[in-house]
Order: sequence, then structure tokens, then C-alpha cells
Amino acid sequence: GAGVSQSPSNKVTEKGKDVELRCDPISGHTALYWYRQSLGQGLEFLIYFQGNSAPDKSGLPSDRFSAERTGGSVSTLTIQRTQQEDSAVYLCASSYSTGETYEQYFGPGTRLTVT
Amino acid sequence: DAKTTQPPSMDCAEGRAANLPCNHSTISGNEYVYWYRQIHSQGPQYIIHGLKNNETNEMASLIITEDRKSSTLILPHATLRDTAVYYCIVRSKPSNSGYALNFGKGTSLLVTP
Repeated sequence: GAGVSQSPSNKVTEKGKDVELRCDPISGHTALYWYRQSLGQGLEFLIYFQGNSAPDKSGLPSDRFSAERTGGSVSTLTIQRTQQEDSAVYLCASSYSTGETYEQYFGPGTRLTVT
Repeated sequence: DAKTTQPPSMDCAEGRAANLPCNHSTISGNEYVYWYRQIHSQGPQYIIHGLKNNETNEMASLIITEDRKSSTLILPHATLRDTAVYYCIVRSKPSNSGYALNFGKGTSLLVTP
């Protein structure tokens, strides 16, 4: 079946502009995660959605970052007034519900470059 | 979640077994050991996980010591396509962040011809 898809695959934007990154999780997966990976670094958790519950936003680095998940499926990560330090690969992952051992399936990521 | 320690890099000859170690000396009884890998320019890929017993699947084997303070991921016949960064992650019951994975720096495995 289809895996997690993300769009765009690459995004170059000017400092100060807003960007939207999209994630289509695997059908039937109720949990959705956003991570980011800066150059040469490990993955950093950003936000978590589980079903219709309020998302856990504890990993968002600033109030310029927000995310929503419509209809329990597609998610959009929005970065307002982008800064150069926002340049990174943004990864989305999905999994089945809250089962302790359910693995996360990752998308290919969106590479964001802020000039 | 328990912290993990992995060597930053390892080499392995193609066709040989790759043994990747991980220390997790502060692991508690309800915490699982997960392994993921990330091939260059791709998203991470799940490999295997275990709690107490050794586990094997089509990709790898996971050997967990009896005291659970360390584990070894074994790729029995490494190929060039196994060149990647391998992450050992210890995960407990859900926090508010569900099962968000805490990726460290991992081990960069280079498989050579």
C-alpha cells in the first residue's frame, strides 16, 4: 500500500515568508508526528496528533510554528515569518493508535531552505 | 525515557555480519528497545524492537542482554544498501507526546565492497 507522502519535497523561501508543509499519513493510522532534522543533527520532535484529541505541541520551537490535522488524516505544518534557522528537513510519521509497540512509518521529508 | 549510547561510526565489509552495539544502562522494566535506520536523504525506517527476548525478522536480529542494559543489532549479511545511520531508541509508555521517538546521533554504518 501507499506509504506516508509529503509535499513539497523541496521548498526554498525567503526569510520572513510563510510556508506550509503537507503530510498524507498511511490510511488507517490515527497517530501522526512531525519531526525536523537540521543538517548533521538527529531528529527533533515537534508535534503529535492522536485521533480527534488535542495535539501535543510541546516540541514546537516557537509560536511561529503551528500544525493542524483535518478530518483525522492530512496534516499541514505552517511556519510563519521563516528564519534561516528554520532550514531543515521536516519529517512526518504515522502509526496505528496508542499501541506501545506500533512502529512509526516516516515520509521522505520536505527539505526547507530559508534564504 | 532511558538514554542510549552508541558508537558514532562503524565499518563493515560487504557480506559480513554487522554488529551494532547500544548501551542503555538506565533502562527500566517496561521500556522497549527499538532500532531504526536512516539511509541518506530518506526518512527513518523501522527495523526491529524487543523487550526482553531476542528477536529476529527479515531485516535483522536483536540481542538483548539478560540485565537489559545493552543490546546488539545484527545485520547477518551486510550489503552496500545497508549503509545508513542506525538509531537505538528506548521507549517507555506514552507520555503526552504519545510515542514520539527520541533520536540521538546514532551509529553511522559504512558497508564497504
